[in-house]
Amino acid sequence: KQEVTQIPAALSVPEGENLVLNCSFTDSAIYNLQWFRQDPGKGLTSLLLIQSSQREQTSGRLNASLDKSSGRSTLYIAASQPGDSATYLCAGSTWDGNKLVFGAGTILRVKS
Amino acid sequence: DTGVSQDPRHKITKRGQNVTFRCDPISEHNRLYWYRQTLGQGPEFLTYFQNEAQLEKSRLLSDRFSAERPKGSFSTLEIQRTEQGDSAMYLCASSFGTGFSYEQYFGPGTRLTVT
Repeated sequence: KQEVTQIPAALSVPEGENLVLNCSFTDSAIYNLQWFRQDPGKGLTSLLLIQSSQREQTSGRLNASLDKSSGRSTLYIAASQPGDSATYLCAGSTWDGNKLVFGAGTILRVKS
Repeated sequence: DTGVSQDPRHKITKRGQNVTFRCDPISEHNRLYWYRQTLGQGPEFLTYFQNEAQLEKSRLLSDRFSAERPKGSFSTLEIQRTEQGDSAMYLCASSFGTGFSYEQYFGPGTRLTVT
């Protein structure tokens, strides 16, 4: 059974810092990987999708990488802003792109 | 561009009552997923549809839960004889991919509280 661990569980940083969120899988046979953002009481917003044939994706100040051999992914946020404060979730999909298996998330607080 | 919508956004019900939630996916997305999220946890997969066919159900989906997607458009999730343990956020997602790039887009969720 696939299990996903996200480290750290919570993170508080001053505005402007660069930061890294980590995600690891017990079964490295994941296919696609998505990073999401969730604001309190809200749904999930897709940030980045790394497809099976890719190793990383970039969008603005966000960069996500995937190392399938080790079953690890990282989300890098550059020049953090208070508006980045949210819970960040990673999720891996099975080979057929169906169900996502999620980590518990990292709660990020960026202080102004 | 209309995203995934869910109705209602909040539902408070008494234990033992039946509830039904609706999800409208992004237009022309052929896959639709239901997840459940409890406080402090990531979402857990419940079931998914490809068009109108329900292709997989999680063991979390007890016989009190039923989901449908008639005509391959909107979907409903019904919970019969609700229990306090059913209190959670119920999230719907949809996707349309080529090959295996099924990026999932989530709705705002339905928050269920069972008293």
